Amino acid sequence: KAGVTQTPRYLIKTRGQQVTLSCSPISGHRSVSWYQQTPGQGLQFLFEYFSETQRNKGNFPGRFSGRQFSNSRSEMNVSTLELGDSALYLCASSLVLAGDIAGELFFGEGSRLTVL
Amino acid sequence: QKEVEQNSGPLSVPEGAIASLNCTYSDRGSQSFFWYRQYSGKSPELIMFIYSNGDKEDGRFTAQLNKASQYVSLLIRDSQPSDSATYLCAVIGTGTQKLVFGQGTRLTINP
Repeated sequence: KAGVTQTPRYLIKTRGQQVTLSCSPISGHRSVSWYQQTPGQGLQFLFEYFSETQRNKGNFPGRFSGRQFSNSRSEMNVSTLELGDSALYLCASSLVLAGDIAGELFFGEGSRLTVL
Repeated sequence: QKEVEQNSGPLSVPEGAIASLNCTYSDRGSQSFFWYRQYSGKSPELIMFIYSNGDKEDGRFTAQLNKASQYVSLLIRDSQPSDSATYLCAVIGTGTQKLVFGQGTRLTINP
């Protein structure tokens, strides 16, 4: 069974640009969560999607957005990039039911974003 | 006060000994608790979860939960060098409705 796939794995952008990251969850998983990981802040929750609906959002500015498609694949977008957005962006999928909160997460390898 | 707190370490334990990792959380209504392991350069992987007060054992790993004291711990018996990693405690709080991670404890097992 294939795991969570994230693309691209590495990317370099400059300040002011925008970036789109993609995530394909494990087959059958309808919940997709996104996290930002930095050495100073650790794993910070960005948002979670379930059946194309954003169920929860973390404390990030509106420059961070996401969406989920009918096949459960998800994308996140960061606009007007800042130096502080340099981080590892992790996507995780979960076999969670509609009324439950995703806790048992299966993570992808991440997309490492460097903003120059 | 952080929602989930862990000692960042590093915690150094000799091979074969018991490694004890601790985590405290601020939301008294939290119901679900998880331990993830993250090797350097890799993504986190779930190793255990616990929902009820008391102990839960899985092989060499034991998770302990004390809701009254708001702490959860992970014990690793017969520690192996392959257990060297960062261990992340994660909690689902009633207020947050999301999985919140601690900063992680870096564990080193010395041969």
